Amino acid sequence: DIQMTQSPSSLSASVGDRVTITCRASQGISNALAWYQQKPGKAPKLLMHAALSLETGVPSRFSGSGSGTDYTLTINSLQPEDFATYYCLQYYSAPRTFGQGTKVQIK
Amino acid sequence: EVQLVQSGAEVKKPGESLRISCKGSGYSFTTYWISWVRQMPGKGLEWMGRIDPSDSQTNYSPSFQGHVTFSVDKSITTAYLQWSSLKASDTAVYYCARGYLYDADWGQGTLVTVSS
Repeated sequence: DIQMTQSPSSLSASVGDRVTITCRASQGISNALAWYQQKPGKAPKLLMHAALSLETGVPSRFSGSGSGTDYTLTINSLQPEDFATYYCLQYYSAPRTFGQGTKVQIK
Repeated sequence: EVQLVQSGAEVKKPGESLRISCKGSGYSFTTYWISWVRQMPGKGLEWMGRIDPSDSQTNYSPSFQGHVTFSVDKSITTAYLQWSSLKASDTAVYYCARGYLYDADWGQGTLVTVSS
């Protein structure tokens, strides 16, 4: 199985900050990576796929990058509605695997 | 509008059986796989596996293989997740999700509580 190591597990930030979350795969996954946002009591919401393809309706302050084993989700100018938990998911091979999650909290 | 509507919360005792459902609408049900994802209380997301509604082909994560069963009823565009003998450690929210490579649309989740 491919292991996804996500960091940090949590972070505190202020509105307007730039936030970076990283996922590292245990082997190359050829950009087969999705990012999800989850708010308490809600289902995850897909933010992007193929490492950097933003889903329709997702604000452009969200961006993705990376290649090989290392991938990054960046949120520019953090907004109040962005405080949530973020997960990466590799879909390069079965079984799919999620990162452990990053909780973005208000400083 | 694509919708995945899951069945309601369940409270069961250890050893009991259970089947929860996920009804798809607003799209061609047999075109996309249905995945199941577990979220234990206060924990992260775990991919359990998926089923192809067109032919009921399944892929189970090794962590869940043998403990759960996926099925579908195409005639009513509904997917199912089933346990034959629940354990307390099955207490979690279970999500169904629609996709092929990755899951774009999710159900609202079903809370399963297993307690004696």
